Amino acid sequence: QKEVEQNSGPLSVPEGAIASLNCTYSDRVSQSFFWYRQYSGKSPELIMSIYSNGDKEDGRFTAQLNKASQYVSLLIRDSQPSDSATYLCAVKKLTGGGNKLTFGTGTQLKVEL
Amino acid sequence: DVKVTQSSRYLVKRTGEKVFLECVQDMDHENMFWYRQDPGLGLRLIYFSYDVKMKEKGDIPEGYSVSREKKERFSLILESASTNQTSMYLCASSNRGSYYGYTFGSGTRLTVV
Repeated sequence: QKEVEQNSGPLSVPEGAIASLNCTYSDRVSQSFFWYRQYSGKSPELIMSIYSNGDKEDGRFTAQLNKASQYVSLLIRDSQPSDSATYLCAVKKLTGGGNKLTFGTGTQLKVEL
Repeated sequence: DVKVTQSSRYLVKRTGEKVFLECVQDMDHENMFWYRQDPGLGLRLIYFSYDVKMKEKGDIPEGYSVSREKKERFSLILESASTNQTSMYLCASSNRGSYYGYTFGSGTRLTVV
């Protein structure tokens, strides 16, 4: 079982719709959770972080965390063509491994006109 | 904003050459990381460092070494480049602590011929 799992996609949504990206993780000691956006040929860019159960909103982005279900998601409201990218979920454990992030392989999002 | 600078955007080297990839960060981060990214395999950790002159192996250290003589600089060395080391190489840095994500450099696309 992979430590961090994401559906590779592509996930296609129409412009203006809500895009929902999901991620599960296997290690219950995971403490911090991050979403990165990566455009083709570019490096990953941090867009959201979440540490506590519940929702965290930042503009059009909402991160949701459910530690009991070991599940983290990213919602993108009013999706725009510029949101078309690969979204990487990353998880950090407090113990062992120091400050290493473990990344999922990413979900490709396509926002269609 | 934190800036992580990788010395080369594109690099072409011959099999057997010794290759140096340089990474410099300007925000006094303790932690620095080297990843490679390949289609379908996601981000894989090669080496990381929590402090000057300190290094730890990641998931795929074979064929690589690193050097961190100064806090702001973390170098990745391919001792004898091989074609299977053709990849996108990403450097990242972060503050110590579980609540910090990484900031990535722009990446080096290395081709070994």
